[in-house]
Amino acid sequence: DVKVTQSSRYLVKRTGEKVFLECVQDMDHENMFWYRQDPGLGLRLIYFSYDVKMKEKGDIPEGYSVSREKKERFSLILESASTNQTSMYLCASSLYRDGLVYNEQFFGPGTRLTVL
Amino acid sequence: AQSVTQLDSHVSVSEGTPVLLRCNYSSSYSPSLFWYVQHPNKGLQLLLKYTSAATLVKGINGFEAEFKKSETSFHLTKPSAHMSDAAEYFCVVSGVHNTDKLIFGTGTRLQVFP
Repeated sequence: DVKVTQSSRYLVKRTGEKVFLECVQDMDHENMFWYRQDPGLGLRLIYFSYDVKMKEKGDIPEGYSVSREKKERFSLILESASTNQTSMYLCASSLYRDGLVYNEQFFGPGTRLTVL
Repeated sequence: AQSVTQLDSHVSVSEGTPVLLRCNYSSSYSPSLFWYVQHPNKGLQLLLKYTSAATLVKGINGFEAEFKKSETSFHLTKPSAHMSDAAEYFCVVSGVHNTDKLIFGTGTRLQVFP
């Protein structure tokens, strides 16, 4: 079974703090993603990565950055947390094979971040 | 461009009765379609996926969905609801390329009453 783990289930931070959310997958997936989930808005893509040291902006990258130094680990960074970044953050991974489509994504349990 | 619309934000059923969660999609080419389920305080779990093979797709826990190109729909059904089906359900559309992003619907919350 694919396992995607996130470093914290619940996190409380203060405005202006730098926040790191960590995600690790154990199935050698090439692709990794960070989403935020807000009521009534569904999931929105923040950043994604198709390879180590590679990143691309999603739909709402403002206020966030990412790091992928190893294939299994994808970190989301809030440089200076703000109250409007209070949300559920979900990490996902998916497999890639040349010539084939494997765009099913496997999700972690989520981190509920509260910024005070 | 692709988009997906879940027609109901909340659905309530009694245990043992059928479940219907509606989803319409828009895509300029043949899409991949998924239904994910999210139980409270949990991540998303794949229920089923359509990737241009059979139009009737069977998933886990007795759910199934039918791809209807003429109606651009991919509704999720289950013949008999169980209390454990209470959760939020997301319809998702994607393209056929690895680099295509998943586009999520806004979700349908299913309540099951005893």
